[in-house]
Amino acid sequence: DGGITQSPKYLFRKEGQNVTLSCEQNLNHDAMYWYRQDPGQGLRLIYYSQIVNDFQKGDIAEGYSVSREKKESFPLTVTSAQKNPTAFYLCASRDMMNTEAFFGQGTRLTVV
Amino acid sequence: ILNVEQSPQSLHVQEGDSTNFTCSFPSSNFYALHWYRWETAKSPEALFVMTLNGDEKKKGRISATLNTKEGYSYLYIKGSQPEDSATYLCAHNSNSGYALNFGKGTSLLVTP
Repeated sequence: DGGITQSPKYLFRKEGQNVTLSCEQNLNHDAMYWYRQDPGQGLRLIYYSQIVNDFQKGDIAEGYSVSREKKESFPLTVTSAQKNPTAFYLCASRDMMNTEAFFGQGTRLTVV
Repeated sequence: ILNVEQSPQSLHVQEGDSTNFTCSFPSSNFYALHWYRWETAKSPEALFVMTLNGDEKKKGRISATLNTKEGYSYLYIKGSQPEDSATYLCAHNSNSGYALNFGKGTSLLVTP
């Protein structure tokens, strides 16, 4: 089955620890995205990547880091510098600028 | 308009009612406007991707229009059904790159 896989679905971490969220796609898409959703906020763009070994900051990149070493994979690290990391995180990918995005199932991160 | 804005924030209609939502976006450097439906416990799914001023697209009882000169798009649902209950998101893609920026969404509840 083609699609986007995010893991894990739920993640708990202690405050001050870095945590990495996984996103893998087998759709052969060039572009990949990370969004964060908080209640009443909609989807806010954290980082996106148009091509392997290249990525761009979105509106709320502070406290996050990404890598794009392979076309299929776009992991997101939530660092200890992120002040409010508890949120729902969605990964997406798409082929070209005029095509639709496909989304993973999301990871709910809770930092205690 | 600098950001993507959607109205209303939420809507409650009776089964059989027709309804519409608005998405406003920056009219300069426009490339594409997306509409997605996000049902509870599922991933967002694309409804439409529109690129040309005056575009009208239709999928069953749902249709959308696009005005790139004034920076707005309307989504219409004819004869709403309970299964239409979801959050409807629009997203804007400028011509400067692959960034896809979402509005906060319109939450629709259709009751029998």
